[in-house]
Amino acid sequence: DADVTQTPRNRITKTGKRIMLECSQTKGHDRMYWYRQDPGLGLRLIYYSFDVKDINKGEISDGYSVSRQAQAKFSLSLESAIPNQTALYFCATSDLQRGGYTFGSGTRLTVV
Amino acid sequence: DQQVKQNSPSLSVQEGRISILNCDYTNSMFDYFLWYKKYPAEGPTFLISISSIKDKNEDGRFTVFLNKSAKHLSLHIVPSQPGDSAVYFCAASEGTYKYIFGTGTRLKVLA
Repeated sequence: DADVTQTPRNRITKTGKRIMLECSQTKGHDRMYWYRQDPGLGLRLIYYSFDVKDINKGEISDGYSVSRQAQAKFSLSLESAIPNQTALYFCATSDLQRGGYTFGSGTRLTVV
Repeated sequence: DQQVKQNSPSLSVQEGRISILNCDYTNSMFDYFLWYKKYPAEGPTFLISISSIKDKNEDGRFTVFLNKSAKHLSLHIVPSQPGDSAVYFCAASEGTYKYIFGTGTRLKVLA
């Protein structure tokens, strides 16, 4: 099993719909992150959480919300999806060491 | 405002030769840098890191160089192999374990 699991892997949704992307981890890491990848823009931070009671906005949080239901779970919601939210979304985890992130395999979201 | 920049979107190198991927940053407070490799349909995977107290870190075929005065880091891959063909991202942090990523460079190693 993957250390960081994202569901779904692919999703097509209509403009205006609410959608949730889920992330779970078995690494035991406290810190969890949501990034999106767009061509030519790299990976941009949406939200991050350093523990269950901690939620922080990243560079591009508008239009998104998150929930940290447990240490192992961090979900990303698009309240009312719009086409420019079409992107590849990655969840990542890290511990207190400066070793970087462990990423999930990504969710490809298309908003039509 | 892009704090971490990878100005070369793509790079092609012959197998066995050296690949040099570059990354520039603007925030002088960044104190830890990472390189990630990403294959299609997979998440990025950690490759190598360097702290700002060092100017070089080596791991097998991969070496990262940091030039703090120029705010520049580079990843050297020697010798390059076809399996190294991927997108490479550099990332930087300022001590909060929240990384800012560059836009990525697609490396193609030609057999």
